[in-house]
Amino acid sequence: DTGVSQNPRHKITKRGQNVTFRCDPISEHNRLYWYRQTLGQGPEFLTYFQNEAQLEKSRLLSDRFSAERPKGSFSTLEIQRTEQGDSAMYLCASSRTGVWEQYFGPGTRLTVT
Amino acid sequence: QKEVEQDPGPLSVPEGAIVSLNCTYSNSAFQYFMWYRQYSRKGPELLMYTYSSGNKEDGRFTAQVDKSSKYISLFIRDSQPSDSATYLCAMSALRNAGNMLTFGGGTRLMVKP
Repeated sequence: DTGVSQNPRHKITKRGQNVTFRCDPISEHNRLYWYRQTLGQGPEFLTYFQNEAQLEKSRLLSDRFSAERPKGSFSTLEIQRTEQGDSAMYLCASSRTGVWEQYFGPGTRLTVT
Repeated sequence: QKEVEQDPGPLSVPEGAIVSLNCTYSNSAFQYFMWYRQYSRKGPELLMYTYSSGNKEDGRFTAQVDKSSKYISLFIRDSQPSDSATYLCAMSALRNAGNMLTFGGGTRLMVKP
């Protein structure tokens, strides 16, 4: 069990640019979640995958955001035309079906200048 | 009003003290309750997990759930400086698709030597 990994750990981009983050879940976990955390707040749910199927999306996930999980393994989260309000920590978590505990990765900190 | 409320602190205690951290919630559908510890600029680390009401103990940590009052607690005995972190409560309802977590805003704990 090597844990959830995320890359990059920190991304600085200019407003209007596109960014993509990657998450590698714990190998036997078929559920994968994306959350966003702003300074001084708890994480907020963005979207959820069961294997390769994206089953739920939060209203926080505007049409500038897209997530994929091809082949049910790693996942990517892309933000198009970034805005300063997108600056946050993007967290990935994974779990097994039927198990409620979610294990988080170290996060990707996005700074939009 | 947020679904899960948590005093942001900071809570400052001397080393060796018993720490009490609390959350209140409004959604009576929540059945699964978790506590995460988050060090600065790191991802949340799962500490404790409980289902429905009752107590659960793990080493120096005890989690309590009172569903009738919609109130959960985490107690830390013999607190150590290494316990200094932000503590996040998280909860989930029984759902057909996924089990996204709803977090409190976190309580910052400082344990002074």
